[in-house]
Amino acid sequence: NAGVTQTPKFQVLKTGQSMTLQCAQDMNHNSMYWYRQDPGMGLRLIYYSASEGTTDKGEVPNGYNVSRLNKREFSLRLESAAPSQTSVYFCATRRGLETQYFGPGTRLLVL
Amino acid sequence: SQELEQSPQSLIVQEGKNLTINCTSSKTLYGLYWYKQKYGEGLIFLMMLQKGGEEKSHEKITAKLDEKKQQSSLHITASQPSHAGIYLCGAENYGGSQGNLIFGKGTKLSVKP
Repeated sequence: NAGVTQTPKFQVLKTGQSMTLQCAQDMNHNSMYWYRQDPGMGLRLIYYSASEGTTDKGEVPNGYNVSRLNKREFSLRLESAAPSQTSVYFCATRRGLETQYFGPGTRLLVL
Repeated sequence: SQELEQSPQSLIVQEGKNLTINCTSSKTLYGLYWYKQKYGEGLIFLMMLQKGGEEKSHEKITAKLDEKKQQSSLHITASQPSHAGIYLCGAENYGGSQGNLIFGKGTKLSVKP
C-alpha cells in the first residue's frame, strides 16, 4: 500500500500562474485534509473534506479551491498563484477520530 | 480558539543524552498526537494520548499526558542521530473544523555525534 501520495514533489510558479496539487490515498479513509506549513507558523488547515462530495473551508482558504474527485482523491488548486502561497503543502487522511496520516508534501515556490 | 505551545523551539544535544520536549494547550486536550518530521519529508505518527495521566513508550521515546490534560511531554532516552528532526504535537480541534488537528509550531532537535 502506498498510503498517501502527493504530486508533484516540487514546483516553481510565476505570479499569476495556476496549478493543481494532487493527493491520493489507498487507505479507504473518508476524511481528507490540505495543510500548509510555513516557518514559524506551524501547520495550518486550508480545506478539508469529511466525505466524498463534501468540502469545507479551514483556517486559511483564501486563494485556494479544492475538489474531492472521489473517495481516493482530493486536489488543491491555486487559480492565480501569489508569492504568499510559497509554502510546503501537506495532504492528510483520517478515518473517524483515528490518527491522521500525512503525505510526503509538495514544496511550492512562487516567484 | 485552542492553541498549542511547544518548548523549546530548538534543541541541540550530544548523542547519548536524554531530552524532553513539552506541549502545552490553552484548553483541555481530548486527543494529543506526537509526530516527527524529517527535513523535506512528511509527518510520521509517533503516539497518541487521550486519558489524563496516560503514558506510552516506543523504543526510546516516551510520551505523557498530565492528569489535567493540558500538557504533554515527549522524552527521548539516550538520544541518537536518528532522533534528529522536527517534533510536532497536534490536538483535536473541537472548536474548529470537523476532525482536523491543530498543531504546535514544532521543536527542532539536532543530535551531535
